[in-house]
Amino acid sequence: GAGVSQSPSNKVTEKGKDVELRCDPISGHTALYWYRQRLGQGLEFLIYFQGNSAPDKSGLPSDRFSAERTGESVSTLTIQRTQQEDSAVYLCASSLVPTGTFSGELFFGEGSRLTVL
Amino acid sequence: AQSVTQLDSQVPVFEEAPVELRCNYSSSVSVYLFWYVQYPNQGLQLLLKYLSGSTLVKSINGFEAEFNKSQTSFHLRKPSVHISDTAEYFCAVTHWRGEGYSTLTFGKGTMLLVSP
Repeated sequence: GAGVSQSPSNKVTEKGKDVELRCDPISGHTALYWYRQRLGQGLEFLIYFQGNSAPDKSGLPSDRFSAERTGESVSTLTIQRTQQEDSAVYLCASSLVPTGTFSGELFFGEGSRLTVL
Repeated sequence: AQSVTQLDSQVPVFEEAPVELRCNYSSSVSVYLFWYVQYPNQGLQLLLKYLSGSTLVKSINGFEAEFNKSQTSFHLRKPSVHISDTAEYFCAVTHWRGEGYSTLTFGKGTMLLVSP
């Protein structure tokens, strides 16, 4: 597609359920990032993929969070046993960046708004 | 560790008035600095960036920002705002994570509200 696509755009779930959020980056973009934005907070880095590998998982807030990327394309962020504090907008971004350089232009999707009741 | 401070969560301004959105950063290494904008119901998009060279950088829609190393600031300015500039503005700094890659650390954002 022309831009980064995320689904679902909105997800309401009950505490304790698992959720999966999907990101389709721009075709050819090797780098993919997940951020989280809680109400009144800035963007919080979660995880970075270069190709299919995730050299940096340091931002994942707990072991309930995991992410994978396949075929250097689609990525899924999974949250197990959701808690109310997981409520946030989850943003995905991609960039065309060779390893070792970074121009700073991330292309963001519109986000997936997660509400945990 | 890098951090970004945007002191103003909201800036109300009248149309055609000047505006300044403040951004200060903290970093122990050299930085690249960015402003991203999020219009209502849209994703974040890059507005302008400082990588090197001239400390004054400009966007195509009239915004400019100046990198001030001594004050560790990268304030965003526009001499005359339009209604269509209403959006949330995020300042960001490069976070070098080693092994040749980096991510961006963002501020909390400033909501610019332009009224007639």
